[in-house]
Amino acid sequence: QKEVEQDPGPLSVPEGAIVSLNCTYSNSAFQYFMWYRQYSRKGPELLMYTYSSGNKEDGRFTAQVDKSSKYISLFIRDSQPSDSATYLCAMKASNTGKLIFGQGTTLQVKP
Amino acid sequence: DAGVIQSPRHEVTEMGQEVTLRCKPISGHNSLFWYRQTMMRGLELLIYFNNNVPIDDSGMPEDRFSAKMPNASFSTLKIQPSEPRDSAVYFCASSSGQNYGYTFGSGTRLTVV
Repeated sequence: QKEVEQDPGPLSVPEGAIVSLNCTYSNSAFQYFMWYRQYSRKGPELLMYTYSSGNKEDGRFTAQVDKSSKYISLFIRDSQPSDSATYLCAMKASNTGKLIFGQGTTLQVKP
Repeated sequence: DAGVIQSPRHEVTEMGQEVTLRCKPISGHNSLFWYRQTMMRGLELLIYFNNNVPIDDSGMPEDRFSAKMPNASFSTLKIQPSEPRDSAVYFCASSSGQNYGYTFGSGTRLTVV
């Protein structure tokens, strides 16, 4: 079993839809949770960063962490065609720099 | 801020040849990471450095891979000898510390034929 599980999709939604992306994990030591966005043939770009449990909002993006369920989510409101990319969850424990990535979910937002 | 700079962007080499990938982290960042991305395995951490010192190289696949960070502004990842299964995109990332977000470079697309 992988430490971080993420459905690779692809996920296709119409413009304006609310998108929900999710990851599950098995290591209870994970304390730092991140979401990265990766466009084709580019490097991953940090979108959201959360420490421990709770919610964090940044514009159209909301990240949620539920440590009791070992489950994290990224919500995108009013999705745009420019949001079409691969979204990767990533997480790590506090005593290491080893950031573990999910497989990534490919999202397509259709105009 | 020029971001994390990697070179070359693309590398095509023959099996058995030595390959050297280069990375310049963001100035002031003291942690540097080398990742490999493939369709099958996703993004995998190969090795990371804190203050130029290798901390965890458990992700380096075998002795053919080596990484160095001679100073705070430069790192290399070397594969010798290269094999077709090493074909992947290699990313370098840097951060202000291991508990901060990582900034990735644009990657080096390596093809070993």
